[in-house]
Amino acid sequence: DAGVTQSPTHLIKTRGQQVTLRCSPKSGHDTVSWYQQALGQGPQFIFQYYEEEERQRGNFPDRFSGHQFPNYSSELNVNALLLGDSALYLCASSLGDSVYGYTFGSGTRLTVV
Amino acid sequence: AQSVTQLGSHVSVSEGALVLLRCNYSSSVPPYLFWYVQYPNQGLQLLLKYTTGATLVKGINGFEAEFKKSETSFHLTKPSAHMSDAAEYFCAVSPNNAGNMLTFGGGTRLMVKP
Repeated sequence: DAGVTQSPTHLIKTRGQQVTLRCSPKSGHDTVSWYQQALGQGPQFIFQYYEEEERQRGNFPDRFSGHQFPNYSSELNVNALLLGDSALYLCASSLGDSVYGYTFGSGTRLTVV
Repeated sequence: AQSVTQLGSHVSVSEGALVLLRCNYSSSVPPYLFWYVQYPNQGLQLLLKYTTGATLVKGINGFEAEFKKSETSFHLTKPSAHMSDAAEYFCAVSPNNAGNMLTFGGGTRLMVKP
C-alpha cells in the first residue's frame, strides 16, 4: 500500500520564477494538507484541500495557491519565488479533515537562488 | 489559537540513558497532542498522540508521553536511548473541535553518544 508520494524530491529555481509541487495521497485518503518547513524550524501549515476546495489556510501570502483533483491528488503552486521560499514542502494526507490520521510524505526540497 | 514551545533545540544523551524531550503548549480548547520524529531527508513519522482518555500515552520504539493539563505539558520520554533514536523530534498541537491543522514546535535534535 503506497503512502504519500511527493514529486519532485528536489528542485532549484531562480527568484521570480514559478514552481509547482505535486502530492498523491495515501490510498483511501481524500484530504491533502501542505506544510512548509524552513531549515531548522518546525513545519508551518499552508492550507488544506478537501472535496477539491481549500478548507483552511495558514498565514501565507496569495503567492501560494493550490489545487485538488478528482482523484484527490494535489498541487502546490508558488509564484514570484523569493529566497525565503527555500524550504522542505511536506504534504500530509488523511481521511476527512481531521489531523487524527495524518500521513506525511517525504517532502520536496525547494531551493531558490 | 494554539502554540507549542519545545525547550532545548539540542539534547545530547549517552546510549542507554534516559531521554527527556520537553514540550509545553497553549490552547484555548482541549487539545490533541502529538509527537513526530524526522530522520534526515525524510518526512514526519508519528510517534504517539493524545486525544482523550488515559493521560500516559505509549508510542512506537519505546517512547511514551504524559499529558499534564495543570502544567500544559506533554513531555516525551524513553527509558534507554539507542543510537537509532538520533533524529529531530517535533511536538504538535491541534484543537480537538476542528482539528484539521497542526501547529508545530521548533523541534529538538536528539544526539545519542556511544
